[in-house]
Amino acid sequence: AQSVAQPEDQVNVAEGNPLTVKCTYSVSGNPYLFWYVQYPNRGLQFLLKYITGDNLVKGSYGFEAEFNKSQTSFHLKKPSALVSDSALYFCAVRPSYNTDKLIFGTGTRLQVFP
Amino acid sequence: SQTIHQWPATLVQPVGSPLSLECTVEGTSNPNLYWYRQAAGRGLQLLFYSVGIGQISSEVPQNLSASRPQDRQFILSSKKLLLSDSGFYLCAWSEISGKYNEQFFGPGTRLTVL
Repeated sequence: AQSVAQPEDQVNVAEGNPLTVKCTYSVSGNPYLFWYVQYPNRGLQFLLKYITGDNLVKGSYGFEAEFNKSQTSFHLKKPSALVSDSALYFCAVRPSYNTDKLIFGTGTRLQVFP
Repeated sequence: SQTIHQWPATLVQPVGSPLSLECTVEGTSNPNLYWYRQAAGRGLQLLFYSVGIGQISSEVPQNLSASRPQDRQFILSSKKLLLSDSGFYLCAWSEISGKYNEQFFGPGTRLTVL
């Protein structure tokens, strides 16, 4: 079955430290991968995507993600966390070009402490 | 640029009452449209998906229905609300199999059924 896993319910990091939010996927074929961020009582905001090409993708607000095909992972990273990065982060996969629907992970709450 | 609107922003309804949530998209034509429900501030559940006027796919059996009377208008309805219908409802759009594969989300509607 096609799925996305975010193994950590919450990630805590001190301001200024690097952060990683993990995502693994299970789909057949070549996936399209996405990261979204959600602030309280708001809709999801698109951060970045991997379609093809370079495995390291840069996105909004200084975030980046690395596609690793052998490990079927797409971890979100930022070199230096800000308190304002505290939010709920969702990984999503579009399993193939033949569908426009996305499969979302369960979300990871990032808490950045000052 | 494209924008997506949802209203109302919040809604408190008694059990057994009807529901109508509206979503409209501006700045694009013939988008794919989606309704999601987010319970307890975490995972997203895809409820309905539409590729065109009058074309609705239901992803899960439930007390809700959707309609698309115009190209950029998507409505979520219920004849009689249940307590379990409470949640945060998100509308999203995407290009149909186009260059921009990501979905763009509206601000959401917080529904509380009492």
